[in-house]
Amino acid sequence: GENVEQHPSTLSVQEGDSAVIKCTYSDSASNYFPWYKQELGKRPQLIIDIRSNVGEKKDQRIAVTLNKTAKHFSLHITETQPEDSAVYFCAATNRQGGKLIFGQGTELSVKP
Amino acid sequence: DTGVSQNPRHKITKRGQNVTFRCDPISEHNRLYWYRQTLGQGPEFLTYFQNEAQLEKSRLLSDRFSAERPKGSFSTLEIQRTEQGDSAMYLCASSLVEIYNEQFFGPGTRLTVL
Repeated sequence: GENVEQHPSTLSVQEGDSAVIKCTYSDSASNYFPWYKQELGKRPQLIIDIRSNVGEKKDQRIAVTLNKTAKHFSLHITETQPEDSAVYFCAATNRQGGKLIFGQGTELSVKP
Repeated sequence: DTGVSQNPRHKITKRGQNVTFRCDPISEHNRLYWYRQTLGQGPEFLTYFQNEAQLEKSRLLSDRFSAERPKGSFSTLEIQRTEQGDSAMYLCASSLVEIYNEQFFGPGTRLTVL
């Protein structure tokens, strides 16, 4: 069935360091991969996404890479700041406008 | 506020009671989704609509759950005969299908079943 695995579950870094979160998906038909940031008590917010026709996308300090052959994708945050502390979720879907299958989440803590 | 809105934000009910939640999507978004999120987990898909039509329902959605989107705008999610296991955050999201599946979430309704 459809499944998205996310690692690590918790990640602690020093301010200024880089953080990497990895996800694997099971459905080879998946073609859209968003990442959401969720602060405590708040709604998930889309921070970056990637479609299956590209291998990498970057937006300022955030980048996402996709390896379709291995069925995994990763979120990279450079020059981390304390305000990056939150829970990050990866997700996947296999058709336009369809349901998202979410990973279990990574709690990122950036220490000043 | 032009974002997705949900009401109520919090609901406390006793086991066995019925509850109804409302979601107002971003104006002109034709897709509307319901997800459920428990503590420490990612959102789990429940169901979604395109305009008035309910296109998919999760196997998680027992017959005690029903959702409607009667006029293709707001949606309601009803849970009948609530159980303690129904306690969770119920999230609504909307998207414009012409823009590749970017789903925007509402603040959620936190349900506590005593």
